[in-house]
Amino acid sequence: AQSVTQLDSHVSVSEGTPVLLRCNYSSSYSPSLFWYVQHPNKGLQLLLKYTSAATLVKGINGFEAEFKKSETSFHLTKPSAHMSDAAEYFCVVIRNYGGSQGNLIFGKGTKLSVKP
Amino acid sequence: GAGVSQTPSNKVTEKGKYVELRCDPISGHTALYWYRQSLGQGPEFLIYFQGTGAADDSGLPNDRFFAVRPEGSVSTLKIQRTERGDSAVYLCASSLTGVGANVLTFGAGSRLTVL
Repeated sequence: AQSVTQLDSHVSVSEGTPVLLRCNYSSSYSPSLFWYVQHPNKGLQLLLKYTSAATLVKGINGFEAEFKKSETSFHLTKPSAHMSDAAEYFCVVIRNYGGSQGNLIFGKGTKLSVKP
Repeated sequence: GAGVSQTPSNKVTEKGKYVELRCDPISGHTALYWYRQSLGQGPEFLIYFQGTGAADDSGLPNDRFFAVRPEGSVSTLKIQRTERGDSAVYLCASSLTGVGANVLTFGAGSRLTVL
């Protein structure tokens, strides 16, 4: 079975400082992993995806994530936070059915606050 | 259309009533998904359509929930005898084919409140 665990429900940073949102995954298969962002009253937007190519994945708005198999982690980072980054972030894994891929499994989310 | 459209954006109903939520996916997307997001939680999978047929409905919580996609485009999520616990944001997403090959594009959601 596949699952993701987001280690922090809320992260608060100051504008201009680094962002780290932590995610651990569990998967019997080589996982496909995503990070989605949800701004208030807006639809979920894909930030980046990992599908077994390069382990360091670059996404939109300066975000990136590194797949570490030895640590079963897929943490999201950004060197310098901007006020507009304040939102809810979800780590996501694709559910596999005996090798064929199915729907998305979401973590509980991490709310990112950015202080001026 | 340019994005996934969901209507209504907000629905308030009374316990025991019937509700329909509509999803209009991106034109040409064969895969369509319904998710439910309760307050403070991540979205939970309900059902997945490939074309007109439900490829996976394992996430539907009980037989009060039903979804259709008769022509392989627009989908309707139907909830009978609504309960207060059904209150949530219902999200729809679509993709070109299955989720493995393509990313999902989500709509803004339909917020359902059952009084």
